Amino acid sequence: ELKVEQNPLFLSMQEGKNYTIYCNYSTTSDRLYWYRQDPGKSLESLFVLLSNGAVKQEGRLMASLDTKARLSTLHITAAVHDLSATYFCAVDINTPLVFGKGTRLSVIA
Amino acid sequence: EPEVTQTPSHQVTQMGQEVILRCVPISNHLYFYWYRQILGQKVEFLVSFYNNEISEKSEIFDDQFSVERPDGSNFTLKIRSTKLEDSAMYFCASSYLGRDYRALSYEQYFGPGTRLTVT
Repeated sequence: ELKVEQNPLFLSMQEGKNYTIYCNYSTTSDRLYWYRQDPGKSLESLFVLLSNGAVKQEGRLMASLDTKARLSTLHITAAVHDLSATYFCAVDINTPLVFGKGTRLSVIA
Repeated sequence: EPEVTQTPSHQVTQMGQEVILRCVPISNHLYFYWYRQILGQKVEFLVSFYNNEISEKSEIFDDQFSVERPDGSNFTLKIRSTKLEDSAMYFCASSYLGRDYRALSYEQYFGPGTRLTVT
């Protein structure tokens, strides 16, 4: 059974600081997704990572995938309040998506 | 840009009642999914649907649940006799292709969700 673990589950960070969210998964896969969810809203696709060593960047967010370590990271650079949300990673191995528990990020002044 | 739509946005029902949640997937997509998210928890897979039949389902998707594609555009989730623990946000998603195709085609696009409250 595929398990997806995220940490931390809660993250409070100051504006302007950097931090990394980690996503570990238990079974080999080369497809990993990051989603953002605002309270009461749907899931917004942020990144699709398709192969070992994939790195994608959008604004202050950068995601990477290491399939050998079964690890993906979401790095936040110089956080701003607008990034406050819950971030989910999700993995699939020819099955429907299996999500992590999410990281609730709060960016404070 | 094409998007997945869902109705209603919020449904309140009494325990034991039947509910039908509706979704209109993106028009050229072939795979359809239902997920649910209990408040404050992670998103969980319920069922996937392809070629007018269920392709996979989770343990959550028991005999109380059913899915249907009644016409060329709608995809529905029915809960026959709702329980308090069915209260959750239900998300519909669709993707163009599924297994054994280029990975980009796997990307699932999520609808805005239906918040189901069972009282």
